[in-house]
Amino acid sequence: EIVMTQSPATLSVSPGERATLSCRASQSVSSNLAWYQQKPGQAPRLLIYGASIRATGIPARFSGSGSGTEFTLTISSLQSEDFAIYYCQQYNNWPPWTFGQGTTVEIK
Amino acid sequence: EVQLLESGGGLVQPGGSLRLSCAASGFTFSSYAMSWVRQAPGKGLEWVSAISGGGSTYYADSVKARFTVSRDNFNNALYLQMNSLRAEDTALYYCTTIGRAARAEYFPHWGQGTLVTVSS
Repeated sequence: EIVMTQSPATLSVSPGERATLSCRASQSVSSNLAWYQQKPGQAPRLLIYGASIRATGIPARFSGSGSGTEFTLTISSLQSEDFAIYYCQQYNNWPPWTFGQGTTVEIK
Repeated sequence: EVQLLESGGGLVQPGGSLRLSCAASGFTFSSYAMSWVRQAPGKGLEWVSAISGGGSTYYADSVKARFTVSRDNFNNALYLQMNSLRAEDTALYYCTTIGRAARAEYFPHWGQGTLVTVSS
């Protein structure tokens, strides 16, 4: 099973600032990495797939990068609606599909 | 528009059973693999089970031999039969689609979830 590790657990950022979230896989997942956003009381929403491809309707301020075992989600200028929990997920070797434990982006 | 609507959650005693349903609409259901993902209160996401369009099934080790996933392509429905339930199965259960193309097996669409509580 591939273990996904996200850091930091919590990121405190001021509105308008850049946020950088990290995700590490225990073995290579190539570019088969997705990011999801979850707001309180809501289902997760797909943001990024293929490590760097924005899903339909996702604003350009969200960008993903990386391959192999190291990945980054960057939010270039945080908006109020971006404060949420972000999960990475690998889909290179399944089953099982595995998620990171999440990074909470909170208002500083 | 893709819509996934889960139902069937509730309070059940340890050792009991429950059957979750997911009604799908807005896409060609039979062409898509589907999955169940759960989230324990205040915790992260955990994949539970998946089923291909043709009926091949997959399970997390934590639920293998206790849970059974199935689908009805005629009625556009996904099911999760949960037996021998434990307290640690308490979670919000989401139904998701799985991407169609090879190397695209991420989860594009999610329902709103149905809550399962296992407690005496």
